[in-house]
Amino acid sequence: GAGVSQSPSNKVTEKGKDVELRCDPISGHTALYWYRQSLGQGLEFLIYFQGNSAPDKSGLPSDRFSAERTGGSVSTLTIQRTQQEDSAVYLCASRFSGTGGAYEQYFGPGTRLTVT
Amino acid sequence: GNSVTQMEGPVTLSEEAFLTINCTYTATGYPSLFWYVQYPGEGLQLLLKATKADDKGSNKGFEATYRKETTSFHLEKGSVQVSDSAVYFCALSDLVTGNQFYFGTGTSLTVIP
Repeated sequence: GAGVSQSPSNKVTEKGKDVELRCDPISGHTALYWYRQSLGQGLEFLIYFQGNSAPDKSGLPSDRFSAERTGGSVSTLTIQRTQQEDSAVYLCASRFSGTGGAYEQYFGPGTRLTVT
Repeated sequence: GNSVTQMEGPVTLSEEAFLTINCTYTATGYPSLFWYVQYPGEGLQLLLKATKADDKGSNKGFEATYRKETTSFHLEKGSVQVSDSAVYFCALSDLVTGNQFYFGTGTSLTVIP
């Protein structure tokens, strides 16, 4: 079946502009995660959605960052007034969250954001 | 709280050498443990996992055993290949505290011919 898809794959934007990054999770996966990976760095957790529950926004670095998930499926990460330090690869992952067992995250290929 | 501590890199090995990447964890409940691999220019993909103590996960010649007594999940491979060059991430998920994942900082491995 189809995996997690993200678009665009690359985005170059000017400082101060807003950007929207899209994530299409695997069908049936109720949990969706956003991470940021700066060059040569590990994963920085940003936000997590689980079903209809309120999202865990504890990782968002500033109020310029926001995300929504419509209809429990597609998610959009929005960065307002982009700064150069926002340049990174933004990774989305989804996960099945049924009871019992341990379900791994499935990652998308990422969106590489470059702020000039 | 939950956390993962991973061996610092980068690691450089010759082809056919033995690989160990150390990973230890702290968890409040009963975590499941994972190793993810990120090949150059690609997203993360699951390499192997273990869901309870003494379980051994294995895939592509890699192995890791869930050791509760030492809170460890070290990744090993007996004979690495150039194609194993990648960044490896240890992670845990603790169902007691919800669906959050906790990742280590990643270990970069380069295998030279």
